[in-house]
Amino acid sequence: DTAVSQTPKYLVTQMGNDKSIKCEQNLGHDTMYWYKQDSKKFLKIMFSYNNKELIINETVPNRFSPKSPDKAHLNLHINSLELGDSAVYFCASSQGRQTDYEQYFGPGTRLTVT
Amino acid sequence: RKEVEQDPGPFNVPEGATVAFNCTYSNSASQSFFWYRQDCRKEPKLLMSVYSSGNEDGRFTAQLNRASQYISLLIRDSKLSDSATYLCVVSRLSQKVTFGTGTKLQVIP
Repeated sequence: DTAVSQTPKYLVTQMGNDKSIKCEQNLGHDTMYWYKQDSKKFLKIMFSYNNKELIINETVPNRFSPKSPDKAHLNLHINSLELGDSAVYFCASSQGRQTDYEQYFGPGTRLTVT
Repeated sequence: RKEVEQDPGPFNVPEGATVAFNCTYSNSASQSFFWYRQDCRKEPKLLMSVYSSGNEDGRFTAQLNRASQYISLLIRDSKLSDSATYLCVVSRLSQKVTFGTGTKLQVIP
């Protein structure tokens, strides 16, 4: 059983396109996150949702919009893709509302913008 | 100054060696600390939480020094399978989480 799953695993697209990445967790966790890991391997939090409520919104271009239809799903939509968006995007989840708990990560989505 | 800093390494150590990593954090209000492990092209996974009193899990020992604002990870009797990048994670105000850039460990036969 996959605890945190993401689709697609790989995404290659051209500049200017709009794309979405989906994330689902079957752990019953209340909080979900999106992270970006760039080419220098720096993992930076982008968003966090708790029971469909946005609780962390780091300084991210508004071309990135998270959507949480229910507490088991957190999708990431990216408009007008740019070369600098190329990275690995990880979804994660944790119990409770706070960031003091262990986070379980999905396998990542490797986005390449050409 | 970065909120969380780690020596990127790589640390190249022979099997069986003991190796230690430090991670410094800048904000004294930080309250929760973790070590995660990330294998090449894989997702990060929790290695251990770091408690004020220090904690040990088999060959791994984590310690917190609040006065000097750093956490440490000690690995004894290194195995080839310990080769990975070790990420220090700091949480503040229960809503602010910051990952370090990681320390790469390569255990050599």
